[in-house]
Amino acid sequence: AQSVSQHNHHVILSEAASLELGCNYSYGGTVNLFWYVQYPGQHLQLLLKYFSGDPLVKGIKGFEAEFIKSKFSFNLRKPSVQWSDTAEYFCAVNPFQGAQKLVFGQGTRLTINP
Amino acid sequence: DGGITQSPKYLFRKEGQNVTLSCEQNLNHDAMYWYRQDPGQGLRLIYYSQIVNDFQKGDIAEGYSVSREKKESFPLTVTSAQKNPTAFYLCASTTYRIRQGSFQPQHFGDGTRLSIL
Repeated sequence: AQSVSQHNHHVILSEAASLELGCNYSYGGTVNLFWYVQYPGQHLQLLLKYFSGDPLVKGIKGFEAEFIKSKFSFNLRKPSVQWSDTAEYFCAVNPFQGAQKLVFGQGTRLTINP
Repeated sequence: DGGITQSPKYLFRKEGQNVTLSCEQNLNHDAMYWYRQDPGQGLRLIYYSQIVNDFQKGDIAEGYSVSREKKESFPLTVTSAQKNPTAFYLCASTTYRIRQGSFQPQHFGDGTRLSIL
């Protein structure tokens, strides 16, 4: 079945460490790609998105992601994490033209130790 | 401020009972969505509506029903046929940007946590 996979379920890092969260999808054709973040007790917020153009996209709070079409991947990165980055991160793909129906990955829980 | 309001924040249901979760948006968005969030499974689409008086089933529509009588409102009813209703329910909305030729990223509400007594 077509899907979105986030391979890391729980990642634990120390402050100032570099972060990379993996996201792979199995849809062909044109896709729109998103990373959302859910801080404890808060609603989902958009971190960044890719629709077209430069495959390296920059988002809020120092996050960036790279779309590699040949690998069907859209990995999220941050060079130096902070304790406040502790949250759950969701990759989402819209593979449908004419409608926005997001397919979400399972989520990655990120814990940053001070 | 524009946004999405979900109510109530917490809801308890007895076995065999239908309950309705409210979702209201004042963003003037055309499309609205209901997702279910379970630990380790991400968000799964229950129903969505792209226009008033029209809605489509998502991936896990069984045991749920919706209506879209007004642009601002998209209530979700969890029926007694839903055998495992305990979950966190999220409502979202978006609109199509004609100039960009694409949908805006979805905005999400704060969610309703439903539990079974």
